[in-house]
Amino acid sequence: AQSVTQLGSHVSVSEGALVLLRCNYSSSVPPYLFWYVQYPNQGLQLLLKYTTGATLVKGINGFEAEFKKSETSFHLTKPSAHMSDAAEYFCAVSDRTGGGNKLTFGTGTQLKVEL
Amino acid sequence: DARVTQTPRHKVTEMGQEVTMRCQPILGHNTVFWYRQTMMQGLELLAYFRNRAPLDDSGMPKDRFSAEMPDATLATLKIQPSEPRDSAVYFCASGLPLESNNEQFFGPGTRLTVL
Repeated sequence: AQSVTQLGSHVSVSEGALVLLRCNYSSSVPPYLFWYVQYPNQGLQLLLKYTTGATLVKGINGFEAEFKKSETSFHLTKPSAHMSDAAEYFCAVSDRTGGGNKLTFGTGTQLKVEL
Repeated sequence: DARVTQTPRHKVTEMGQEVTMRCQPILGHNTVFWYRQTMMQGLELLAYFRNRAPLDDSGMPKDRFSAEMPDATLATLKIQPSEPRDSAVYFCASGLPLESNNEQFFGPGTRLTVL
């Protein structure tokens, strides 16, 4: 069975500082990997995804993530945090074959951006 | 701008009452998911459908919850009778897994409060 671990349920950064949100997965084969963002009182919105090819994936709002197979990680980064980045971030994995196309979500990381 | 819609956005009801939540998936999407989000449990998959047929409802309390897709443009989640522990935000998501590598598109959610 697949699983996702997000280290740190709460992360706080200063505006302009580097954002690093950690995600590690467990899967018997390399899965599809996703980062979603949830702003207050809204649904989840896709930030970026990795399926195949280049392991550094760029997403919306200046975020990017790198798939590292050897580390089974897919950490999310942004060079310079903005106040508008304050939200909850979810890492998710999906089986490439079968599995019913379900996503397995991590428990989420709440990002706080301070002045 | 295609998006998943959910109604109602907010629902307050009393214990024992029936609650019906509705979801309109993005036109053309053949897979629909129902999730529940709470502070304690995070994001839980309740059930999902492909081409209107239920594929997996193992996450759903069978005695009181039911999910259906009367047609391709409507998915419903019903709770009867409702209990205070059902208070949560319920999300619907839709997707076209083969074309989008299992990406899911989320609705804005229905915030349910059972008194």
